[in-house]
Amino acid sequence: ETGVTQTPRHLVMGMTNKKSLKCEQHLGHNAMYWYKQSAKKPLELMFVYNFKEQTENNSVPSRFSPECPNSSHLFLHLHTLQPEDSALYLCASSLGRGSSYNEQFFGPGTRLTVL
Amino acid sequence: AQKVTQAQTEISVVEKEDVTLDCVYETRDTTYYLFWYKQPPSGELVFLIRRNSFDEQNEISGRYSWNFQKSTSSFNFTITASQVVDSAVYFCALSEETSGNTPLVFGKGTRLSVIA
Repeated sequence: ETGVTQTPRHLVMGMTNKKSLKCEQHLGHNAMYWYKQSAKKPLELMFVYNFKEQTENNSVPSRFSPECPNSSHLFLHLHTLQPEDSALYLCASSLGRGSSYNEQFFGPGTRLTVL
Repeated sequence: AQKVTQAQTEISVVEKEDVTLDCVYETRDTTYYLFWYKQPPSGELVFLIRRNSFDEQNEISGRYSWNFQKSTSSFNFTITASQVVDSAVYFCALSEETSGNTPLVFGKGTRLSVIA
């Protein structure tokens, strides 16, 4: 498998559920990102991991909890979400530290619906 | 602070027409990078091009061309002889050198509809 993969592609959950989104990259990159894309809003950066260290957390509510066990895998743990958290969650990867010039490669996203 | 503006929210064209998507950026850095991404209905953002601030040469790739003008802080994207498969949301993005690995700042996107 190549590129950036995300599972599941679609997820429906209740507000009291706990679920996790998974992202895996097969590009040998060292930086990984979570973005949220809501209807009629620009892409919002949520978290950045660079060589497994979290380097950015853009004031994301604690009901979203990221985990990066290694450079190839990134998780987003979800608990007690709100309906307004319904969105497309995109994972991306890039080469890594000091690489602001490097393009990010995106996965297909997980379409999350919170009931 | 860095900022990217895509003033066109939605554009509709008839197949085979040429279309230009506008992108205007703001940055205080002298070294920065500009990107264009395409997001088809499937959802995945597809990387199209990267341009650094020192390279103002325009680029052409098939039916796609990009016009980078530092004087007007613009990085416009033109599709020649558009096709239905070009229908997507297109995002312009900016990354500053001094921000290290701080990720891209995206514009709000332009939804392009190409009608057969």
